[in-house]
Amino acid sequence: DAGITQSPRYKITETGRQVTLMCHQTWSHSYMFWYRQDLGHGLRLIYYSAAADITDKGEVPDGYVVSRSKTENFPLTLESATRSQTSVYFCASSEYGRETQYFGPGTRLLVL
Amino acid sequence: AQTVTQSQPEMSVQEAETVTLSCTYDTSESDYYLFWYKQPPSRQMILVIRQEAYKQQNATENRFSVNFQKAAKSFSLKISDSQLGDAAMYFCAYRSANRDDKIIFGKGTRLHILP
Repeated sequence: DAGITQSPRYKITETGRQVTLMCHQTWSHSYMFWYRQDLGHGLRLIYYSAAADITDKGEVPDGYVVSRSKTENFPLTLESATRSQTSVYFCASSEYGRETQYFGPGTRLLVL
Repeated sequence: AQTVTQSQPEMSVQEAETVTLSCTYDTSESDYYLFWYKQPPSRQMILVIRQEAYKQQNATENRFSVNFQKAAKSFSLKISDSQLGDAAMYFCAYRSANRDDKIIFGKGTRLHILP
């Protein structure tokens, strides 16, 4: 189906482990984004990408790594997970020059 | 830096009544976009309505409308004829028209619909 998907939808991991969250969109949107959502903070931007091989930091990038080798994929990696990274993670995309972002269903991550 | 403030953490409204959610923002820019997103219990973020700052006319989408006051930097959302399916978290958001496509979100207002 067309749209933006995230996997896994739920993940439990342990402190210190590496975790990769996947994001895939079928619209060929230029821009892709990763947000985290925490109580009391709303949504905060972690990283974004304007095109393949172009990424930039958002508001809270520490502890995260992204890559974008293909336009449709934008994986987010937690290199060494910490409890403070327990959150709900949203991926989003938008067309170049268009203001509206479309969100994936989210990934709930629990770090023990 | 731009900020978005939603001063009402929670609100309740009787089914079929009208409710208004408040949002204020701070920016030094003149050209930007404003959005309201809805997040139901499924956690999906759904675009409800958007407003271009250069347009004086308030945006409307069916039962949803906004009151955009540019000078006051206010962007409230009015939901008419509230329905049980409107129960959700609502986020106000801002995006500059002059930079890259980053959106700044408020902390949200949880809306309860009373049957």
